[in-house]
Amino acid sequence: AQSVSQHNHHVILSEAASLELGCNYSYGGTVNLFWYVQYPGQHLQLLLKYFSGDPLVKGIKGFEAEFIKSKFSFNLRKPSVQWSDTAEYFCAVSLYNNNDMRFGAGTRLTVKP
Amino acid sequence: NAGVTQTPKFQVLKTGQSMTLQCAQDMNHEYMSWYRQDPGMGLRLIHYSVGAGITDQGEVPNGYNVSRSTTEDFPLRLLSAAPSQTSVYFCASSPLSQGTNEKLFFGSGTQLSVL
Repeated sequence: AQSVSQHNHHVILSEAASLELGCNYSYGGTVNLFWYVQYPGQHLQLLLKYFSGDPLVKGIKGFEAEFIKSKFSFNLRKPSVQWSDTAEYFCAVSLYNNNDMRFGAGTRLTVKP
Repeated sequence: NAGVTQTPKFQVLKTGQSMTLQCAQDMNHEYMSWYRQDPGMGLRLIHYSVGAGITDQGEVPNGYNVSRSTTEDFPLRLLSAAPSQTSVYFCASSPLSQGTNEKLFFGSGTQLSVL
């Protein structure tokens, strides 16, 4: 069955630390990849997406993600986190030209000031 | 521009009751969907639609019905509520690009408790 795995459930970092959140998927075929973020008390919103082209994609607020096809991974990175990055982060995957989009369980990030 | 509007924000039901969660969007998006969010399980897709008159099942469709009579509205019906349906429900919409939803816009959620 198609699935999306986020192995880190809760990550705690100090400000200025580097961040990498893992995302792996088990789909075969061409995929569309997304990271969504849910800040406390706010709606889920798109952070970045990959459809095709350069496997290193840049999103809002200094986040980036790298698609590694051979590893079925789409890890999220940020070189230096801020307290305002405290949120829950969700990886999502859909097959190309398909709208059945599946989310991972989410990773809660807490950044200590 | 209201975006995606969900009502109600909170609801308590008794086992066996039925109800409809409302979702409306004013962005003329073809794609609409319903997710439920449970602790430790992320968001799970219930049903989705790529246009008026077209609906399809997601990962956890049992116990839920949907219809899409207009582009704007996508109500979710619980036929006979069960405690296992206690969850937070999110509606989302997206424009389609080459047949694929390219960016989901989420509503604020409905917190449902079934006793």
